[in-house]
Amino acid sequence: SQKIEQNSEALNIQEGKTATLTCNYTNYSPAYLQWYRQDPGRGPVFLLLIRENEKEKRKERLKVTFDTTLKQSLFHITASQPADSATYLCALPQGTNAGKSTFGDGTTLTVKP
Amino acid sequence: DGGITQSPKYLFRKEGQNVTLSCEQNLNHDAMYWYRQDPGQGLRLIYYSQIVNDFQKGDIAEGYSVSREKKESFPLTVTSAQKNPTAFYLCASSTGTGEHYGYTFGSGTRLTVV
Repeated sequence: SQKIEQNSEALNIQEGKTATLTCNYTNYSPAYLQWYRQDPGRGPVFLLLIRENEKEKRKERLKVTFDTTLKQSLFHITASQPADSATYLCALPQGTNAGKSTFGDGTTLTVKP
Repeated sequence: DGGITQSPKYLFRKEGQNVTLSCEQNLNHDAMYWYRQDPGQGLRLIYYSQIVNDFQKGDIAEGYSVSREKKESFPLTVTSAQKNPTAFYLCASSTGTGEHYGYTFGSGTRLTVV
């Protein structure tokens, strides 16, 4: 089955810098990959989806890349703000079984003022 | 406003008891899901349903049961057979597979065994 590895350590950065989070997967390359934000005690919120034929996707200060050769997605937050502090999860569909997704353990980002 | 509602927010269970977690959505989504999240870990799929009156086991279904009698509702029962039920439970819904717009999650139910 698909395994996902995200940054194993929490990420602490200074306000205004760019945060870069990593999502690595094993086995097959998925048709798409999703990123979510989760605040403490809350459910995740969908942020972005990137498809296997897309190298890069942007939404406001967010940028996601997808490298199927490296089996890796990078999630960037530019001009980071303390309000960006949260846990970020990546998710991949489980093979051809539509509707089932595997989530990574998440990376906790803290942006210091 | 459309959304997905989980209740209760906190739930305490005694050893040997069955408890039921509620999940209701008014988004007209066909698919609904239950995930479990343990501290510092990702989400693990318990059960999912892509259509009314049909559901499938996820990766950790043992000790849990569900029903999908209405499109809007997908309750989860944690039975006494679940040996380690203390966790944060998240319900989600999606149009189709969730590919295009992702999953919409509820605010979760935190279950504690006392």
